[in-house]
This record gives sequence, C-alpha cells and structure tokens, in this order.
Amino acid sequence: AQRVTQPEKLLSVFKGAPVELKCNYSYSGSPELFWYVQYSRQRLQLLLRHISRESIKGFTADLNKGETSFHLKKPFAQEEDSAMYYCALSGDTNAGKSTFGDGTTLTVKP
Amino acid sequence: GAGVSQSPRYKVAKRGQDVALRCDPISGHVSLFWYQQALGQGPEFLTYFQNEAQLDKSGLPSDRFFAERPEGSVSTLKIQRTQQEDSAVYLCASSFKQGVAKNIQYFGAGTRLSVL
Repeated sequence: AQRVTQPEKLLSVFKGAPVELKCNYSYSGSPELFWYVQYSRQRLQLLLRHISRESIKGFTADLNKGETSFHLKKPFAQEEDSAMYYCALSGDTNAGKSTFGDGTTLTVKP
Repeated sequence: GAGVSQSPRYKVAKRGQDVALRCDPISGHVSLFWYQQALGQGPEFLTYFQNEAQLDKSGLPSDRFFAERPEGSVSTLKIQRTQQEDSAVYLCASSFKQGVAKNIQYFGAGTRLSVL
C-alpha cells in the first residue's frame, strides 16, 4: 500500500524567513514524488516533481529514499507563497494514479 | 488551450437523488482520473481511464458510484441514491500517457456536491 503523510496541517512564517513543508511517504517500489499547490480560489496545479530536480518559484525538494521523505523548502518565503500545498506519490506500477497527503496550509505573514 | 473543465461547479442534491458530474479533459490527454476530496483532506483516488477503458476503479466507495468515458474524451461520474457522506469536492484530472509530462496531472476546478 502507498501512503503520504504531511504532519503539519498549518504552517505560519514571516516574510523572508525560511520555510520547510514536510512530507513522508511509504511505498515498496520506486515512487515518483510531486508537490502540488492550490492558491486561493484557484485549481490544484503542479509545483514541482522530484525527477525534474529543478527549482520552481524558489522552491526545491529532494527525494531522500533512506528517510522516505520529500520535504519542500524555500530559503526566503514571500507573501504570495501563502497557499495549500499537497505532497503526492505516483507508484511505478499503477499508471500514474496518485496518492495525496492531507495538505499543509502555509501562511506567510508580512 | 483550455484546461480541464468540470460541470456543474456546484450541485445540491436531496438525499436519495441521482447526480451526474461531467469532466472534459485537455485535448489529447489519454489518461483521466477522478478524485474525491472531503473537507480538510487531500484528494482520494476514485477511478482511472486510459482512453475509453476503465483500468482501475478500486477507489469507488460503493456500487452507487459509476464512471464512464465512452468515446475516450468526456467522462461522467454518476452517483446513485446520494447519501450525506457523499458530500465532497469531486476533482477530475487528465494527463499524457507518455513522454516527459507523463504522470503530471492537470486538474479541473472541481464540482462541490452537497447532499442535504
């Protein structure tokens, strides 16, 4: 069975502070990990995926297979980063079906 | 081009009514997914189509839930004899099957179903 855990429901930081949104997963094969973001009154959209190994809007995430984690990080948070963030896992045998965590609401205060 | 389109955006149903939710995926996307999102939770997988074939329906909570995609494009999720516990946002997503964008899901805005 595959599972994604986001331990923090709410996270609040001040503008300019570093931010880390935690994601842990359980999967027996080789997963593909994603971060999706939902801004206020917008639809869910992809932020980044681990195989791209790129930085999007200043965010990065590294897949740590030893710790089964895929934490999302940004060194200097901006107010426009305030949103709901979902970590998701797609298994290597299930044709793209994704398992989502319950999300973390990030609030960046001025 | 247009993104994934879902209709209606909001649906209020009386308990026991049947409802039909529509999803129009991005043109050319082979894969189509339905998710159910309860308040305060992440999306939960319901079912998956590749073209017109329903390859996985393991997430459908009961036999009251039925999905189809007869021509490999538009999909309909039908819920018969709705119950209060069916109240949720129903999300549709589509994706390419192959290439660098494989497994990236593009979501619709969702249909918020309220069963009274």
